[in-house]
Amino acid sequence: SYVLTQPPSVSVAPGQTARITCGGTNIETKSVHWYQQRPGQAPLLVIYYTRDRPSGIPDRFSGSTSGNTAALTISRVEAGDEAAYHCQVWDSSGDHPVFGGGTKLTVL
Amino acid sequence: EVQLLESGGGLVQPGGSQRLSCAASGFAFNNFAMAWVRQPPGKGLEWVSTIRRRGTTTYYADSVRGRFTISRDNSKNTLFLQMTDLRAEDTAVYYCAKDLGGGGSLIFDSWGQGALVTVSS
Repeated sequence: SYVLTQPPSVSVAPGQTARITCGGTNIETKSVHWYQQRPGQAPLLVIYYTRDRPSGIPDRFSGSTSGNTAALTISRVEAGDEAAYHCQVWDSSGDHPVFGGGTKLTVL
Repeated sequence: EVQLLESGGGLVQPGGSQRLSCAASGFAFNNFAMAWVRQPPGKGLEWVSTIRRRGTTTYYADSVRGRFTISRDNSKNTLFLQMTDLRAEDTAVYYCAKDLGGGGSLIFDSWGQGALVTVSS
């Protein structure tokens, strides 16, 4: 089945830009979705169809893909962005959605 | 405002059964597919099951197929997950999630707060 690989952790200073990656074979051919999960809370959809933002999600959040890597970029990082971020795609071979292992973003 | 409220979690012995419910409000429940997604303690998310809006089409992860049954009551805006033959590896927080579409886009745009199911003797 399709495997998504995320770094366990990423750290960034407030005001800087965070880039969280999600690796998968030819992931640029898939639609990638991203969820934010603050500690003790339910996940929140922040990016869908690779680049689209649900209403209410600030434009500081953006998504992209290239080759075997998808990325969630958070510009002008704030303390409130500290959370785990999970990527997700549709695995056509297994006919089910697949999540990455999650990346914990720490705001220094 | 979309609200999803899970209930039915708790401690269950290996081999036992448990039924989760999810009461939905704030949207036209019968227009959207619904799903269960679980998260073992300290780990990532795992999709469990999806049911299309009319309830006639269901999908399951290989890890639960044959043991779990998803269903819905559109007259009561409620989603269910019947779990049988529970194993230690089923221990997780189970989230009820609303799908972006009716046919099952498998993009989850609203989530409940989760129900913890612990399988242990």
